[in-house]
Amino acid sequence: DQQVKQNSPSLSVQEGRISILNCDYTNSMFDYFLWYKKYPAEGPTFLISISSIKDKNEDGRFTVFLNKSAKHLSLHIVPSQPGDSAVYFCAASFHNFNKFYFGSGTKLNVKP
Amino acid sequence: NAGVTQTPKFQVLKTGQSMTLQCAQDMNHEYMSWYRQDPGMGLRLIHYSVGAGITDQGEVPNGYNVSRSTTEDFPLRLLSAAPSQTSVYFCASTLLGTSKNGEQFFGPGTRLTVL
Repeated sequence: DQQVKQNSPSLSVQEGRISILNCDYTNSMFDYFLWYKKYPAEGPTFLISISSIKDKNEDGRFTVFLNKSAKHLSLHIVPSQPGDSAVYFCAASFHNFNKFYFGSGTKLNVKP
Repeated sequence: NAGVTQTPKFQVLKTGQSMTLQCAQDMNHEYMSWYRQDPGMGLRLIHYSVGAGITDQGEVPNGYNVSRSTTEDFPLRLLSAAPSQTSVYFCASTLLGTSKNGEQFFGPGTRLTVL
């Protein structure tokens, strides 16, 4: 049973608008959450992370929000650009960082 | 820095054959891991290592072996390939014990088909 879930397989957004990608998890012991971006035929690349002691982390156009009571995190991209079109994976780990659990990914399409 | 490298990029095997997927990193990262990516399943952890001589199982270890004799290399061995092992395999590494915890660097992947 997947401990990290991304229920939207795809998302389409107009250039310049906000993209919101969602992720849910089931294990309340997860301590650290990450977002990765993946282009076709390449490995994932790290985007942004958040510790469970925070509820928001911002890096340029990317912001991750964590709602521990709802076991939910989201990635906001503002403004969205065509180059952001990729598959986005959320991931979670425990405090020892030994194992990482990934969601199934959301394919974002930013239309010019 | 070459980062994380994987060979081969593509491989076709027959059922029952064995092979080794190679992974190397030149960033002196203690932590290395192997994932497989299947449609609708995301990335699933096969095996990981927190340092030379130390390996452990992930979510889906059956049918795979690993070893870590050096910090740089972390090969993944398929003992007797099965069609269910058709997948894209990614190797990753990260530096533990820093503010960059969990920020894994991924290789470009190996696309494996088992007939």
